Amino acid sequence: GAVVSQHPSRVICKSGTSVKIECRSLDFQATTMFWYRQFPKQSLMLMATSNEGSKATYEQGVEKDKFLINHASLTLSTLTVTSAHPEDSSFYICSANQGNMNTEAFFGQGTRLTVV
Amino acid sequence: KQEVTQIPAALSVPEGENLVLNCSFTDSAIYNLQWFRQDPGKGLTSLLLIQSSQREQTSGRLNASLDKSSGRSTLYIAASQPGDSATYLCAVLNAGGTSYGKLTFGQGTILTVHP
Repeated sequence: GAVVSQHPSRVICKSGTSVKIECRSLDFQATTMFWYRQFPKQSLMLMATSNEGSKATYEQGVEKDKFLINHASLTLSTLTVTSAHPEDSSFYICSANQGNMNTEAFFGQGTRLTVV
Repeated sequence: KQEVTQIPAALSVPEGENLVLNCSFTDSAIYNLQWFRQDPGKGLTSLLLIQSSQREQTSGRLNASLDKSSGRSTLYIAASQPGDSATYLCAVLNAGGTSYGKLTFGQGTILTVHP
């Protein structure tokens, strides 16, 4: 299947700093990518839809100024957690579809963010 | 609003057993349903994708069925192995409402297969 690569897999940062997470589709182009957040022992919650060349669409309750999304190319979307706080500590996962939305969704390996 | 429920929340079985994981969803307006596997601290691995017009899909020891009208899907795992131990998630791709074009996930079933 298609490969979605996410980097870094793990990051620890100090409170107040910003962290950037990259999501790449390695062998296909993705005009749309999705960013999810997963708390321990809970399921995935969609944060935002990343659209190549245009603004991201955020889910209700997700602060767009805190979670900056940039989808500058057909193979790369980035999520920047700005002014991170301990409550932002979580597992962040991205996904993309190879083709239209009604195809298999492929997920990155996830990024474990710990804010201290 | 679409809601996806998975039963049981956790399952522990001895190696070799056949088992069934259940997934139900409240809104039948879906494009497809996908089953995933998630190992601890890892991302999701796609197992099976069933389009809304399909009734089942098979891959190796895995068989997934879909009854869209009743809002149910099952994942059948034959001859379970310790390596099957993981969290299994189902997700539906919504075809209507405010979640159009987005996946809604269940809470997952934590499967443990012991030798």
